[in-house]
Amino acid sequence: GDSVTQMEGPVTLSEEAFLTINCTYTATGYPSLFWYVQYPGEGLQLLLKATKADDKGSNKGFEATYRKETTSFHLEKGSVQVSDSAVYFCALTSNQAGTALIFGKGTTLSVSS
Amino acid sequence: DAGVTQSPTHLIKTRGQQVTLRCSPKSGHDTVSWYQQALGQGPQFIFQYYEEEERQRGNFPDRFSGHQFPNYSSELNVNALLLGDSALYLCASSQGLGYGYTFGSGTRLTVV
Repeated sequence: GDSVTQMEGPVTLSEEAFLTINCTYTATGYPSLFWYVQYPGEGLQLLLKATKADDKGSNKGFEATYRKETTSFHLEKGSVQVSDSAVYFCALTSNQAGTALIFGKGTTLSVSS
Repeated sequence: DAGVTQSPTHLIKTRGQQVTLRCSPKSGHDTVSWYQQALGQGPQFIFQYYEEEERQRGNFPDRFSGHQFPNYSSELNVNALLLGDSALYLCASSQGLGYGYTFGSGTRLTVV
């Protein structure tokens, strides 16, 4: 079945460092891809999305490009801040999954000043 | 504008008991989905309700059931609780059966 694989964390960075969180997926057809963020004690918030190949989603300095040839949707940010410390989830919806979101296991990011 | 409201925020139940969790969707949303998030894991889809009917269901046993009311609010019921049901239960609402989900902060269920 459809699935999402994320790099394992935790990822520990200093403020202003470059961030990459890898995400690859397995899905039939043309899934839509998402990154969600979960701050401590809170629910999930949509960070960005891409619905077709080569689309680039972006928000709050974060970017991810839908790469169908490598089945990837890596999250990047050029300069992280302490306030970016959270758990990041890659997710997809697909023909098989319907409107249900299929999530990866999440990657914890910790940024220190 | 209130977002998704879930209640209670925390609760503790004994193995074998039954529990009901509640969700009020964001204003203007008519679809409610429920997810289970075990510690250290990503959320897993339980089911989705639209027009008071279960429209889609994930790989969860029949002990998990739900309901949607005419005002679009929803309940998640779990019978015969197991220790493994301990998790954060998230409610997400949307407009129609498309995307654009708004998640609540969740209900933390601990089964002892």
